[in-house]
Amino acid sequence: AQSVTQLGSHVSVSEGALVLLRCNYSSSVPPYLFWYVQYPNQGLQLLLKYTSAATLVKGINGFEAEFKKSETSFHLTKPSAHMSDAAEYFCAVSRYLQGGSEKLVFGKGTKLTVNP
Amino acid sequence: DAGITQSPRHKVTETGTPVTLRCHQTENHRYMYWYRQDPGHGLRLIHYSYGVKDTDKGEVSDGYSVSRSKTEDFLLTLESATSSQTSVYFCAIREHSGGSYNEQFFGPGTRLTVL
Repeated sequence: AQSVTQLGSHVSVSEGALVLLRCNYSSSVPPYLFWYVQYPNQGLQLLLKYTSAATLVKGINGFEAEFKKSETSFHLTKPSAHMSDAAEYFCAVSRYLQGGSEKLVFGKGTKLTVNP
Repeated sequence: DAGITQSPRHKVTETGTPVTLRCHQTENHRYMYWYRQDPGHGLRLIHYSYGVKDTDKGEVSDGYSVSRSKTEDFLLTLESATSSQTSVYFCAIREHSGGSYNEQFFGPGTRLTVL
């Protein structure tokens, strides 16, 4: 069954530093993978998605992620952190269900703190 | 903005009372979902719907029921609320069309506290 593991429940970086949030997946079939961001007291917003096209995926707000099949990883990066990036980030993998639907299986989340 | 609203946005209730949460969408999406979010667990699927009157259970469905009598509304009912159901509940929708993958979009959430 598909699952994801996010390494590190809390990550702290300085403003301007590299952001690296780790996600490893488990899937018996080629996966669809996602990163969502959640700002305090808000819903989830899609940052980017991998759907078997390019392995390097660019998303919103300067984030990108690289799909590495050999490492079963989909790590999220941003070259230079901004204070506004402080949020919780969730990695998710898609799993198909009855009726042609699908569900997202989420990791437990990584809370990013950006220090001035 | 995928046109998803949830009501109420906040609710405090007592153990043993029934509670219904509503998810409303304006764009006639076929698939709708209810997730709950708890610290240290990420989001977990409660129930989903793949059409009017077509619903099925997710991984944490015990104590919850759903109904979808029209495309735009997906209701989540806690038959008899318990403190373990204190959580933030998110509704999500997904388009159904040919071609590229269609992602899920999430509503703003409902914060439920069961005392």
